Amino acid sequence: DTAVSQTPKYLVTQMGNDKSIKCEQNLGHDTMYWYKQDSKKFLKIMFSYNNKELIINETVPNRFSPKSPDKAHLNLHINSLELGDSAVYFCASSSGQEKYFGPGTRLTVL
Amino acid sequence: AQSVTQPDIHITVSEGASLELRCNYSYGATPYLFWYVQSPGQGLQLLLKYFSGDTLVQGIKGFEAEFKRSQSSFNLRKPSVHWSDAAEYFCAVGPAEYGNKLVFGAGTILRVKS
Repeated sequence: DTAVSQTPKYLVTQMGNDKSIKCEQNLGHDTMYWYKQDSKKFLKIMFSYNNKELIINETVPNRFSPKSPDKAHLNLHINSLELGDSAVYFCASSSGQEKYFGPGTRLTVL
Repeated sequence: AQSVTQPDIHITVSEGASLELRCNYSYGATPYLFWYVQSPGQGLQLLLKYFSGDTLVQGIKGFEAEFKRSQSSFNLRKPSVHWSDAAEYFCAVGPAEYGNKLVFGAGTILRVKS
């Protein structure tokens, strides 16, 4: 009965590859997010979707493309991976102010 | 611009001792304030939040935080730390509207010595 789940938990890949991270929430929330936590542990928002509509798009390279097939899912696709993309990516969902975070996906680009 | 400062990168306390983690914020309006905890290899768990009303808020695991508008602070406290509290703690601030983007502090790593 996990509230916000992400797959995979770990992802190791070569530079230049394309990869996706999936996120699902079973809380019935309308809003979902992707956050990036860099090596210095700074958490920064990347995207936010409300009812499958993009409402926040921070200055993220267009190699990153979120996709929300329905309210319960927000996937993150990354093209042409670069070394600097190595980080932990957190999905979150909210209804109102309280956010619930997923366990994170540790992406390592070699 | 919104910002959150957690002045202490690391804090070490003895088990059973009291704890205070500092958080200062800069925000243009009345902020919504949060404390999250991240255990090693885990996601973020909400400890407590402040929206309005009583400036002393209680959270899970025996934590509390006090909002002081005059000092732009939202410090996290616990009267008696347990070894299982060792983790990284993040303060965050955000606006009221939906889809709000929380701005996080850099985190404070708490070590507990027995």
